[in-house]
Amino acid sequence: SQTIHQWPATLVQPVGSPLSLECTVEGTSNPNLYWYRQAAGRGLQLLFYSVGIGQISSEVPQNLSASRPQDRQFILSSKKLLLSDSGFYLCAWKTSGNTGELFFGEGSRLTVL
Amino acid sequence: SQQGEEDPQALSIQEGENATMNCSYKTSINNLQWYRQNSGRGLVHLILIRSNEREKHSGRLRVTLDTSKKSSSLLITASRAADTASYFCATVFSGGSNYKLTFGKGTLLTVNP
Repeated sequence: SQTIHQWPATLVQPVGSPLSLECTVEGTSNPNLYWYRQAAGRGLQLLFYSVGIGQISSEVPQNLSASRPQDRQFILSSKKLLLSDSGFYLCAWKTSGNTGELFFGEGSRLTVL
Repeated sequence: SQQGEEDPQALSIQEGENATMNCSYKTSINNLQWYRQNSGRGLVHLILIRSNEREKHSGRLRVTLDTSKKSSSLLITASRAADTASYFCATVFSGGSNYKLTFGKGTLLTVNP
């Protein structure tokens, strides 16, 4: 069966520090991968998605970047965090193609102080 | 914006009652999906309804889709305390070249025992 893992689960970082959130999927090949951010009491904002290794599409210009160094690995990064980067970051995957649902990880809660 | 909007923002009912949540969107869609999120957790897919479908059932869930009104509803029958969660609709834009889900802000459902 397929599983998705995100880590770390919680993170408290000072403003200006770097960030790396990692997401890996097991049990499937060539998944579509997504990073969403959820602010407190808000909906989900799509940040990045990827349909293959090295292929990243950015939805919102911001202080963050994403990379997909391996088929089932998706990394969210920042060189210098801002207070506004605080939030709940969710990684998700789906099978390739133009149909189907997303399967979400358990999320990474980032607090920037 | 293609973003779906759920209504109401919050709903509080007694166990055994039915809960109805609505979603409106603005553009033509490929499909519409409903997800559930327990507090502090990732989202879990509930049901997907395609643009050429009008109603779909899954256990105690009933989803309707009215593409002429660009709206959908999620009905949870015979609610239980364990149904307490946030519920989100997500739409897939039919004109897009990539498969992206756009989420609304959600309805917070509280089922009181």
